[in-house]
Amino acid sequence: EAQVTQNPRYLITVTGKKLTVTCSQNMNHEYMSWYRQDPGLGLRQIYYSMNVEVTDKGDVPEGYKVSRKEKRNFPLILESPSPNQTSLYFCASSYQGPRGEQYFGPGTRLTVT
Amino acid sequence: DAKTTQPPSMDCAEGRAANLPCNHSTISGNEYVYWYRQIHSQGPQYIIHGLKNNETNEMASLIITEDRKSSTLILPHATLRDTAVYYCIVPMDSSYKLIFGSGTRLLVRP
Repeated sequence: EAQVTQNPRYLITVTGKKLTVTCSQNMNHEYMSWYRQDPGLGLRQIYYSMNVEVTDKGDVPEGYKVSRKEKRNFPLILESPSPNQTSLYFCASSYQGPRGEQYFGPGTRLTVT
Repeated sequence: DAKTTQPPSMDCAEGRAANLPCNHSTISGNEYVYWYRQIHSQGPQYIIHGLKNNETNEMASLIITEDRKSSTLILPHATLRDTAVYYCIVPMDSSYKLIFGSGTRLLVRP
């Protein structure tokens, strides 16, 4: 089944404790992206990757890192999480970049205390 | 992104057609119109996209006006499971991203 998976789905952590949210897709898509969704602010793009080893900032990259060492994986790294990064995070992938049909993962709900 | 304007909320009766409008008066000549929806807090789901001609797939139809300044997403026979937030998106030429606005919250009534 074609899908985007994210882990963990739910995470509660404390300020400053490094964490990684994994994202994996099995569709051989070249484009992958991370979004965060907050009430009243909609979905905002954090980082995107056009292909392996190619990443770029989205609208809200501060406090986040990403890497794209393999086509299928695009982990989101929070080196020192803060409470303002409490949010719902979505990973997405697409064969044709952002203008193609994007497949979204189920989301990761992160709480930073 | 080209600015899009959608009504904040709409409702329709189950089994009837749901017609969701979107204004995108600043759209450029070669930009597509995309529609996604998000059911509760699930990941957004792609519905359809189009350039100038009307498009139809198994989920919906997309009607784009001749001047391309507005479009309508049509769910021909809405079901309760179609209750969701619907996003109309028009990315800019040089953009590598889609910007999701506030969307239209569609409530399908039994």
